[in-house]
Parts: sequence; C-alpha cells; structure tokens
Amino acid sequence: AQSVTQLGSHVSVSEGALVLLRCNYSSSVPPYLFWYVQYPNQGLQLLLKYTTGATLVKGINGFEAEFKKSETSFHLTKPSAHMSDAAEYFCAVTFNTGNQFYFGTGTSLTVIP
Amino acid sequence: EPEVTQTPSHQVTQMGQEVILRCVPISNHLYFYWYRQILGQKVEFLVSFYNNEISEKSEIFDDQFSVERPDGSNFTLKIRSTKLEDSAMYFCASSDPQGGYEQYFGPGTRLTVT
Repeated sequence: AQSVTQLGSHVSVSEGALVLLRCNYSSSVPPYLFWYVQYPNQGLQLLLKYTTGATLVKGINGFEAEFKKSETSFHLTKPSAHMSDAAEYFCAVTFNTGNQFYFGTGTSLTVIP
Repeated sequence: EPEVTQTPSHQVTQMGQEVILRCVPISNHLYFYWYRQILGQKVEFLVSFYNNEISEKSEIFDDQFSVERPDGSNFTLKIRSTKLEDSAMYFCASSDPQGGYEQYFGPGTRLTVT
C-alpha cells in the first residue's frame, strides 16, 4: 500500500536558519513526488516536483528537495528561512498521470524572528 | 497564468441538505479531481474524473457523493444529504496528461454543516 509520512507535525526555525522538512514514502512502484505549500486560508501551491532525471530538484522561493530511492525519502530544504516561509507544507506522491495523490499529514513551519 | 477556480469560497448548510460545489478547471486539462481536508487533518482524495466518467474513487466517495461535468468548463461535486462530518475544505484539482504529473489545485470551498 502506498503511504506518505511526514515526521514532525510542527517545525520551528529561526529566521536565517536552515529549514529541513522530512518526507518518507512507501511504494512498490516508482513514485512521482511533490511538495505543496498552503498559506492560511489559501489553496495548495506547488513548490517542486520529482518525476524523472536529476534527483536534486529546485523549486520556488529557494526550496529544494532530493529524491533518495535507497532511503525512500524526499526531504525539503531551504538554506535560510524567511518569515514569509511560515506555512503548512505537504508532501505528496502519485504513480501515474491521472492517478490520485497520496498526501502526508503536513508540517506546520513557524519562523521565529 | 491559468488557474483552477472554485465557488463558493464558503458554504454553510444544514444537516440533510444538498450542496453543490463548483469548480472551473484549467481549460486544456483533461483530468479532474476532488479532495477534502478536514480541519487539522491531511488532504484526502475523493474522486478523479476523465473522459466524462469516474476513473478512480476512494472509500470516502460513497453514494451520497456525485460528480458531473455539466458543460465544457465546469466540474461539480454534489453531496446529496450532508452530515456534520462532511464539514471540511474541499479542493478541486486538474491535470494535463501531456504536461506531467502535477495537479493544479483551486483555492478550496470551506463547507460547514450545522
């Protein structure tokens, strides 16, 4: 069965510090992996994705993620947190075009000034 | 940039009433989806729709739910007899089979059942 696990429902970092949000998946077939961000009272905005090719992918707002097949992980990082990064972050996986997304439970990021 | 739109942004209804949530997917997309997010919980898949029929549905999508593409632009989710536990944010999404695997999400409709 497919599943997505996000370790840490709440993460707090200081402004300027490294952001690391963890995502692990469980799958018997190759996954396509995504990170979405949700600001308060808004929808889901795509941050970045891994489908094929380079395993280190860069997204919007300075975020990047690395697909590690051996670790079944797709952790999200940003070298220096900004106040505007405070939001809910969701990791998601799918397996084919048109298939449903499986979402993790989300990680709420707080940035401390 | 094209985007998915949803109306209304907030719907309040009484238990047992029917509601219709509306979505306008991105115009050249062919796959359409509904997800829901109960407050404080993860986003859950309800149903996907392709070529005028349901292509996949979850166990949540029981007989009280239905979807329709009544014309060339709208995609609707109907809940026939709402329950308190249907209170959630409902997201519509669409995707282009030629454009990759990502789904584009609308801003959501917050449904409150009283």
